[in-house]
Amino acid sequence: AQSVTQLDSHVSVSEGTPVLLRCNYSSSYSPSLFWYVQHPNKGLQLLLKYTSAATLVKGINGFEAEFKKSETSFHLTKPSAHMSDAAEYFCVVRGNFNKFYFGSGTKLNVKP
Amino acid sequence: GAGVSQSPRYKVAKRGQDVALRCDPISGHVSLFWYQQALGQGPEFLTYFQNEAQLDKSGLPSDRFFAERPEGSVSTLKIQRTQQEDSAVYLCASSGSWGLAGERNSYEQYFGPGTRLTVT
Repeated sequence: AQSVTQLDSHVSVSEGTPVLLRCNYSSSYSPSLFWYVQHPNKGLQLLLKYTSAATLVKGINGFEAEFKKSETSFHLTKPSAHMSDAAEYFCVVRGNFNKFYFGSGTKLNVKP
Repeated sequence: GAGVSQSPRYKVAKRGQDVALRCDPISGHVSLFWYQQALGQGPEFLTYFQNEAQLDKSGLPSDRFFAERPEGSVSTLKIQRTQQEDSAVYLCASSGSWGLAGERNSYEQYFGPGTRLTVT
């Protein structure tokens, strides 16, 4: 069975400081993992994806994530937060028939 | 090309009414998914189509929920005799061999803006 756990429901950072959003996954086989972002009243947008190539994945808007099999983690990071990064972030693992299993989400607040 | 579109964007229904939610996937995408996102939660899988075939409907919460994709493109999610617990955002996603920018796709799903259903 596949599942993801997002360890923080809310994260608050100051503009210009690093962002870390944590995700742990469970998968019975080599997983495909994704991070999506959801801005208020907007659709889900793909930030980045891991599909068994390089373990360090770079995405849009300066975000990146590192796949660590030994820790079953896929944490999302960004060196310097911007006000426009304030949104909700979802970690996702792909399951059978390509259906996605979403985490419960992490709301990122960026303080000026 | 155009992304996934959904209509209506907002729907208010009285308890007991039937509703129909429409999804227009990206042209040429074979796979289509429906998800339900309750307030404060992550999206949860409802059902999956490959072309016109419904291959997985394990996430549909009750037999009041029905989905179809008769010609392998547009899909409709129907909810009969709506209940208050059906209030949620319903998301549609499509997936195919090629992404929006013509790049080779690796299981990426493209999501529509969702339909927010409120049952009163």
